[in-house]
Amino acid sequence: NAGVTQTPKFQVLKTGQSMTLQCAQDMNHEYMSWYRQDPGMGLRLIHYSVGAGITDQGEVPNGYNVSRSTTEDFPLRLLSAAPSQTSVYFCASSRLRWNTEAFFGQGTRLTVV
Amino acid sequence: GQQVMQIPQYQHVQEGEDFTTYCNSSTTLSNIQWYKQRPGGHPVFLIQLVKSGEVKKQKRLTFQFGEAKKNSSLHITATQTTDVGTYFCAGQGGGSYIPTFGRGTSLIVHP
Repeated sequence: NAGVTQTPKFQVLKTGQSMTLQCAQDMNHEYMSWYRQDPGMGLRLIHYSVGAGITDQGEVPNGYNVSRSTTEDFPLRLLSAAPSQTSVYFCASSRLRWNTEAFFGQGTRLTVV
Repeated sequence: GQQVMQIPQYQHVQEGEDFTTYCNSSTTLSNIQWYKQRPGGHPVFLIQLVKSGEVKKQKRLTFQFGEAKKNSSLHITATQTTDVGTYFCAGQGGGSYIPTFGRGTSLIVHP
């Protein structure tokens, strides 16, 4: 049981480049989300999805796109990378019901130069 | 929307001292969960509280859920260097299954 798998673990981008952070879960969870974690800012929600075909914006969505074509996958796209997007990104998933825990991927450390 | 505030942001302690982090929600919660993130790692589930006034213990860690189900605390007795990390609370409530995470408290333990 792999849980939540994020790739890549590390990435360096040049300003203006685009890329996709991958997230996949094998627990049949309805809810998936992306967070960024910056020093002193904690976890901030970027986008989330409550099921295939449904996505919504979180606290800091600008500069990011998501899609949810399957239950398992929830990729995060950086359209035109900026140094301000240097951060650690976490994908998380959980069941959409009461009293259920969230599972996090191991994170992607992104540096934009 | 629902907001979960967590304080303090950082806490430095000497090894052996106690530590407490607090979590406050703007709405009544169905449950509160606590997660620990070790340096360089990802958040990992520790425990869940569901009942009003509930108290749970895990060795030196004590978790409390407030009577009104709007606040919670995590207390660590006699901290050790292995306790270093960031502790997050997360709550479901306000009619939504979607969990809301606090910003976390980073614990630094000085030997």
